[in-house]
Amino acid sequence: QVQLVQSGSELKKPGASVKVSCKASGYMFRSYAINWARQAPGQGLEWMGWINTKTGNPTYAQGFTGRFVFSLDTSVSAAYLHITSLKAEDTAVYFCARDFGVGNDYWGQGTLVTVSS
Amino acid sequence: SSELTQDPAVSVALGQTVRITCQGDSLRSYYAAWYQQKSGQAPILVLYGKNIRPSGVPDRFSASSSGDTASLTITGAQAEDEADYYCDSRDSSGKHVFGTGTKVTVL
Repeated sequence: QVQLVQSGSELKKPGASVKVSCKASGYMFRSYAINWARQAPGQGLEWMGWINTKTGNPTYAQGFTGRFVFSLDTSVSAAYLHITSLKAEDTAVYFCARDFGVGNDYWGQGTLVTVSS
Repeated sequence: SSELTQDPAVSVALGQTVRITCQGDSLRSYYAAWYQQKSGQAPILVLYGKNIRPSGVPDRFSASSSGDTASLTITGAQAEDEADYYCDSRDSSGKHVFGTGTKVTVL
C-alpha cells in the first residue's frame, strides 16, 4: 500500500537548521511529484511548493524562497525539506503529499517543527 | 497564483445537508480537490475532478462547480464528518493554492 512516512518532531533554536524527510513506499517514486505544505498552529494549510521526482527540479511558492530547499534521494525513495536560519514563525507542522495530477492523494503524517529559545 | 476563499465555519444538524463553497479565479479553469482534516491528523482527499470520490469515501460526499465557485456537499451529515475542509486548485503554471478552510460542526 502507498505510504509516505515523515521523520519525527524537532525542537530547534532560532538560527538553527532542520531537515524533514518524507519516505515513500508502495509505488514508483519517480511517477508522482511531491508537494510540501505547512500548517502553523491553529491555522490553515499553506502550499510551500513541489519537487519533480523525475528531474529533481523544485518549484517554490511565494514566501518560501531562500531559506527553504526541497531535495530528493531517489535511491531510497525519499524527499527532503531543509529549512535554514529558523525563526519562531517557522513553528508549524510540515506535510509532504503525493501529487497525482488533480490533487494530493496520499499525505505524510506531518512533522512538527518547534522553534524556540 | 490566485486565492481560494472559503467560509470560516458552518454547522449542520445530524442527518441534514450542508454545502461548503470555495471561490477563486483558478476554478474557472481547473477543478478543485477537497480534503478533510480532523484535529491533529493529516488531510485526507475526499473529492477531486468533476465529482470523483477516492475509494473508501462515503457517497454522501459530492462535488460540483460553476464559474469561479466549487462546492462540496455532504448529504446526510454524520458525527464523523465534523472536521476542517480545504479546497485545492492550481493555476496555469502548475502552482497550487489551498483554500482558507471551513470548519464543519455537526450538531
